[in-house]
Amino acid sequence: SQTIHQWPATLVQPVGSPLSLECTVEGTSNPNLYWYRQAAGRGLQLLFYSVGIGQISSEVPQNLSASRPQDRQFILSSKKLLLSDSGFYLCAWSWVSFTRDRGGSPLHFGNGTRLTVT
Amino acid sequence: GEDVEQSLFLSVREGDSSVINCTYTDSSSTYLYWYKQEPGAGLQLLTYIFSNMDMKQDQRLTVLLNKKDKHLSLRIADTQTGDSAIYFCADFSGGYNKLIFGAGTRLAVHP
Repeated sequence: SQTIHQWPATLVQPVGSPLSLECTVEGTSNPNLYWYRQAAGRGLQLLFYSVGIGQISSEVPQNLSASRPQDRQFILSSKKLLLSDSGFYLCAWSWVSFTRDRGGSPLHFGNGTRLTVT
Repeated sequence: GEDVEQSLFLSVREGDSSVINCTYTDSSSTYLYWYKQEPGAGLQLLTYIFSNMDMKQDQRLTVLLNKKDKHLSLRIADTQTGDSAIYFCADFSGGYNKLIFGAGTRLAVHP
């Protein structure tokens, strides 16, 4: 079965410091990978998605970047954090192929990282 | 762009049924999903429905789809305190291989 790991679970960082959040997937190959952010009391905002190694699509202009150095590894980074970067960051994966017996191509989420920028 | 909307709050008594509603704008939707998020956790896929179906039942969960009105609902029978969570409706935007999420409905279950 497939599993997704995301760490750290919580992080407190000062403004201006760098950021690196990591996500890995096990039990599948060539997944689509996603980073979402959930601000307090709000819905999900798609930040980045990747359909393959080195292929990153950015959904919103921002202070963050993403990289996919290996097939099942997805990293979210920042060189200098802003207060507005605080939030709950979720990594997710989906199958590349869209098949009815899998219910299309649903997302499967990690447990999230709570980032507080002080 | 495509949009998904949900009411933000729902409060029900334990043992009653809960109905969480969602509307979407994508006329080419193929799959629609319901996710559950418990406090401090990621999102858990609860159920989904294919666009050529009107209803899907899975134990205490019933999903109804009105494709004409672009309206989706999730009914939870015999709601329990463990059902307290945020429920997200999501629409598969096939052209971009992405899910479009609603803002989430916070379900509070009280005795």
